[in-house]
Amino acid sequence: EVQLVETGGNLVQPGGSLRLSCVVSGFDVNDSYMNWVRQAPGKGPEWVSVIYTGGSTWSADSVKGRFIISRDSSQNTVYLQMNSLGVDDTAIYYCARSFGLLSHFDYWGQGTQVTVSS
Amino acid sequence: EIVLTQSPGTLSLSPGERATLSCRASQRVSGTYLAWYQQKFGQAPRLLIHGASRRATGIPDRFSGSGSGTDFTLTISRLEPEDVAVYYCQQYGSVPGTFGQGTKVAIK
Repeated sequence: EVQLVETGGNLVQPGGSLRLSCVVSGFDVNDSYMNWVRQAPGKGPEWVSVIYTGGSTWSADSVKGRFIISRDSSQNTVYLQMNSLGVDDTAIYYCARSFGLLSHFDYWGQGTQVTVSS
Repeated sequence: EIVLTQSPGTLSLSPGERATLSCRASQRVSGTYLAWYQQKFGQAPRLLIHGASRRATGIPDRFSGSGSGTDFTLTISRLEPEDVAVYYCQQYGSVPGTFGQGTKVAIK
């Protein structure tokens, strides 16, 4: 059975940092395109970052230079290091699998809440 | 980036009725790279349709997708109480992939 479980969300002050984790079971993260997708309250989802099977990464302009996606194949886990957080980064963050940069998302985790507030 | 506009904002129908949800793109969507997701309250989005018309694994055949270019449609042929949710479209024909703002489906 495929499962993606995100953790690490929290309340953080503007300018702060957080690291999110996504533990995957049922498939190998090395063989998949793994993404972070976020959803602000009352809004549609927004793609954030992807890590390719080969290890290359790509991020949305809104987070470029602040967020870093990575993976640990020994733990079958994907991470999102988030720095210089602002109030606009407040959202539920989901881990999701895709088939490339231009792809739909077939498996999603349950999400983890990130709130940026003073 | 491509902006997706979904209509109506809310759709309220009786069980057994047909639901028609629209997704209009600000520019032509390359190929048929359009997906639909269902999001129930407090849950993650769930893939329903990809490639504009291909049902994902395990999705009931009352859900169908159609369209091309800038106009796409999700149809629920016979609405069931369990279909209460917000439905999102997503284009992935150009970078960055973008989502619509959603259509809420409610039962009368």
